[in-house]
Parts: sequence; C-alpha cells; structure tokens
Amino acid sequence: GEDVEQSLFLSVREGDSSVINCTYTDSSSTYLYWYKQEPGAGLQLLTYIFSNMDMKQDQRLTVLLNKKDKHLSLRIADTQTGDSAIYFCAEKGSGNTGKLIFGQGTTLQVKP
Amino acid sequence: DTAVSQTPKYLVTQMGNDKSIKCEQNLGHDTMYWYKQDSKKFLKIMFSYNNKELIINETVPNRFSPKSPDKAHLNLHINSLELGDSAVYFCASSQRGQSSYNSPLHFGNGTRLTVT
Repeated sequence: GEDVEQSLFLSVREGDSSVINCTYTDSSSTYLYWYKQEPGAGLQLLTYIFSNMDMKQDQRLTVLLNKKDKHLSLRIADTQTGDSAIYFCAEKGSGNTGKLIFGQGTTLQVKP
Repeated sequence: DTAVSQTPKYLVTQMGNDKSIKCEQNLGHDTMYWYKQDSKKFLKIMFSYNNKELIINETVPNRFSPKSPDKAHLNLHINSLELGDSAVYFCASSQRGQSSYNSPLHFGNGTRLTVT
C-alpha cells in the first residue's frame, strides 16, 4: 500500500540548517514533493524531485532522494523564523489519478 | 490572480444541518480534489474529479456529496453534519496527464468547518 511517514517535530536555532526526513513505501512513485503550510493557510508547493534524480537544489532548499531506502529529505540552509511552519512530504499515488499521498507533516520551530 | 479559491473560509454550524463548500480554479487544470485535514494536521483525500467525472471516491460517508458542474468548479455538500465532521477542508487542482507527468497539486486556503 501507499504510506508516507515523517517525524512530527523539529526545533532549530535561527541560522542553523534544518533537515526534515520522510520515508515512503511505493517504489513506483515518479515524483516526490515537499509542501509548506503556514498557520491558517493552504499548502504551498516548495519543491519536488523526479525519481531518477538523487539530489535537487533550489536556493536554500536541498532535496535528497535515496530510492533504494525510499528515503527523502529536505534541507533548509540558514533557517529563518519565517521558515516556521508545517512541512509535508508527498508522493504521487499509483493508478494515474493524480492524487498525492501525504505524510503527517513535520512542525518546524525556529528559535531566534 | 490565478489560484484555487474556496468559500467560505470559516463555517460554524450546528449538528444536523446541511452545508456546502464551493471551490473554483482558474489554472486551466482538468482535475480537482477535496482533502480533509484533521486536528492532528493529517491530510486525507476524499474525492477527485477529472473533467467533471468522479475518479476517486475514498471511504467517505454518504452524507458527503461532491458536485462538479464544470472542470473549473468542484463543490462539496455535506448533509446531517456531525461533530466529527469538524476539520479543515482543502480543495486542490492539478493537470492529470500520464503517470510520468509532473502534476503537483495547487491548494486553496481551506475552509475551517466547526460543528457544534
């Protein structure tokens, strides 16, 4: 079946790097995504990675994909207080319906 | 602005009432979704429509009925509301394409439903 798991909470100091981890079960997933949810808002697409890549960098964000271990991570360099939010990992579901399967979300707390 | 917009943003109602949430997207996408986010922030898909055709219908009570008058609109009607229906409901859209096609979901800002 399809399942995505994340740790629930991460606390870092401003200026440090944050690493949010995710594991997934569907080895046929073609795309994996990271979304950010700020309080009272919807989910905003941060970045994504295609399954034939093992790394993608986008400004302060670095996504690492270990397909063998079905492990995805999001690294945020120089974390700012504005990065405090819930971060969701998602995999594209099977069956070509377009749906995304989400993890439980990791709450990132950035302390000044 | 190009976006997914849903109304209302907040909905407070009593048990037993019937209510609707509306969603519209102007991104030109062919697929729309309803997700439910519970109090623990867990997101679960409820329904999906592709070109007005229902393609996903997860295990959701019959009291929930989606309606898609055209591919830019997907409404959610809920009958006989129960306390457990309290949640944030998100509408989303994407361009479906092939399984190898990158089709991230674009989300609305959510409707916070509180049933008292």
